[in-house]
This record gives sequence, structure tokens and C-alpha cells, in this order.
Amino acid sequence: DAGVTQSPTHLIKTRGQHVTLRCSPISGHKSVSWYQQVLGQGPQFIFQYYEKEERGRGNFPDRFSARQFPNYSSELNVNALLLGDSALYLCASSLVDLPSGNTIYFGEGSWLTVV
Amino acid sequence: AQSVTQLDSQVPVFEEAPVELRCNYSSSVSVYLFWYVQYPNQGLQLLLKYLSGSTLVKGINGFEAEFNKSQTSFHLRKPSVHISDTAEYFCAVSAAADGQNFVFGPGTRLSVLP
Repeated sequence: DAGVTQSPTHLIKTRGQHVTLRCSPISGHKSVSWYQQVLGQGPQFIFQYYEKEERGRGNFPDRFSARQFPNYSSELNVNALLLGDSALYLCASSLVDLPSGNTIYFGEGSWLTVV
Repeated sequence: AQSVTQLDSQVPVFEEAPVELRCNYSSSVSVYLFWYVQYPNQGLQLLLKYLSGSTLVKGINGFEAEFNKSQTSFHLRKPSVHISDTAEYFCAVSAAADGQNFVFGPGTRLSVLP
């Protein structure tokens, strides 16, 4: 079975532009979460979606938004890009929402560079 | 809110030597604890997790970790490391009420030397 797949793997954007990152969860997984990993740091939680509803949101500005589709895939959108948005964006999926002891499985990420 | 501290940013160790990577956490509620490994240019892979029960948890690739509630620690150990263990290791916590909101530590870079 395929794992969590993300696209694109690498992209370069200019300050002020918009970006959309895509994620397909493991087959059968209904929960998707997004993390931002700045170089040299641990991942930081951005969003979680379960059954197409937002279940959690981290401490990120409103420029960041996401959605989950009926097939459980997800998009992360970032508007008005800043240099500080340069990071590895990780998507993770899991079978269920709660309890949180369920394992989450990560994709290989999308590297975003803002210039 | 939860927080995670990984006291060592880098740990160099010779091949076949034992290693311990330290993790301390802070939380006002009960948490689940995890260790993830990240190889270069890859996503994160789960090594092991503590949910409840026995405080000694065994994971993949010969790693184990011990949960110590009184010291709020969850240190990762391996009795004999290999070159292939060179990677970044992240400790993470998740509160039962927070769904998939995992709080990660800053990571420890393990370098295994020949």
C-alpha cells in the first residue's frame, strides 16, 4: 500500500505569492494533519482535519488555511508568502481522530523556499 | 499546554557503542509520548510510543525508551548503534484531548562514527 504522498516535493515562490500543497493520506485513513518544519527545528502543528472538518489549529496566522476533500485528501494554502514561511511542510495521516495515542504516519514533505 | 525539551542538540557516538538521547516534557494533563526518527531528506518515522502500562517501551531497530513520570522524562536508548542509525531524532508529546496536535522537541542529531 502507498504511504502518505505529498506534492510538489520542492518549489520556489516569491514573497507575496500564494502556494497550495497537496496531500493524499494512506488508504482508509480519515484524519490528516499538517506540520511546518523550519530548518534545524522540530515540526510545528498547523492543522488537523477529520471527516472534512477542522479538528485543531496551531498558532499560525490566518494566511494559512486548509481543507479536506470527500476522498480525504487535503490541501494546505498559504497566502502572501513571507521569507519566514520557507520550510518543509509535512502531512500526516491516521485512521481515526481520537484518542491521540493512535499512530500518525508522515509523508516525505514539500520543501518550500520563498525568495 | 505541553512542551518538550531535548537537552542535546548533537550526540556523536562510535559504532557499536551504546547511546541515550534525552527527552523531558512538561504538561498539566496526562500525555502520550513518542519518538520519531528523520533520515536526511525524508519524513518522520515512528520508532516507539508510550500510551500506558509498562514504562519500558520497545520499538523498531533495537531502540527502547523508559517513561519516568516523577522526572517527566522519556529517554531513548540503544545498546549498540550502527552507522545506519545516523539521523535526527524527535521526541513528541500529545495530550488526549488534543487529537493529532503533537508537540515536538527541537530534535537531537545522532552521528554514528566508524
